[in-house]
Amino acid sequence: EAQVTQNPRYLITVTGKKLTVTCSQNMNHEYMSWYRQDPGLGLRQIYYSMNVEVTDKGDVPEGYKVSRKEKRNFPLILESPSPNQTSLYFCASRGRAGNSPLHFGNGTRLTVT
Amino acid sequence: SQQGEEDPQALSIQEGENATMNCSYKTSINNLQWYRQNSGRGLVHLILIRSNEREKHSGRLRVTLDTSKKSSSLLITASRAADTASYFCATAQDTNAGKSTFGDGTTLTVKP
Repeated sequence: EAQVTQNPRYLITVTGKKLTVTCSQNMNHEYMSWYRQDPGLGLRQIYYSMNVEVTDKGDVPEGYKVSRKEKRNFPLILESPSPNQTSLYFCASRGRAGNSPLHFGNGTRLTVT
Repeated sequence: SQQGEEDPQALSIQEGENATMNCSYKTSINNLQWYRQNSGRGLVHLILIRSNEREKHSGRLRVTLDTSKKSSSLLITASRAADTASYFCATAQDTNAGKSTFGDGTTLTVKP
């Protein structure tokens, strides 16, 4: 089954404790992207990757890192999480063409205390 | 800031009625897409309209695009209780295919 898999689904952590949210897709998609969703703010793009070893900042990249060493994986790293990074995070992927639809994972709900 | 803005923010209708949601955007786009989200789950792609298209249909969905007004509308005809969800428009920029911008969404409630 074609899918985008995020882990974990829920995560509670404390300020400053490094964490990684994993994202994997099995559709051989070139493009992958991370978003955060906050009430009243819709989805905001954090980072995206057009292909392996190519990453670019979205609209809200501060406090996040990503890497794209393999085509299927695009982990989101929070080196020193803070409470304002409490949010619902989504990973998505699509084919190379800009008019390809995005396929979303089921989300990771992160709480930073 | 968000490029796409939907209105209304919330819409409540009876089953069988039509639901119309609007989306406005600011910059030149390559295409505009509509997505649906059920209560905190991942978004699901509904329909895409290219910048050189004016109208597109898919089942009970009808999307229009007016690039001169930088706006789009999504019409769901003969709504069902199962259509209850949040709906988002997303734009892919003309000059940067990697950047995608989502609106704040319209929450649709269809009462049985």
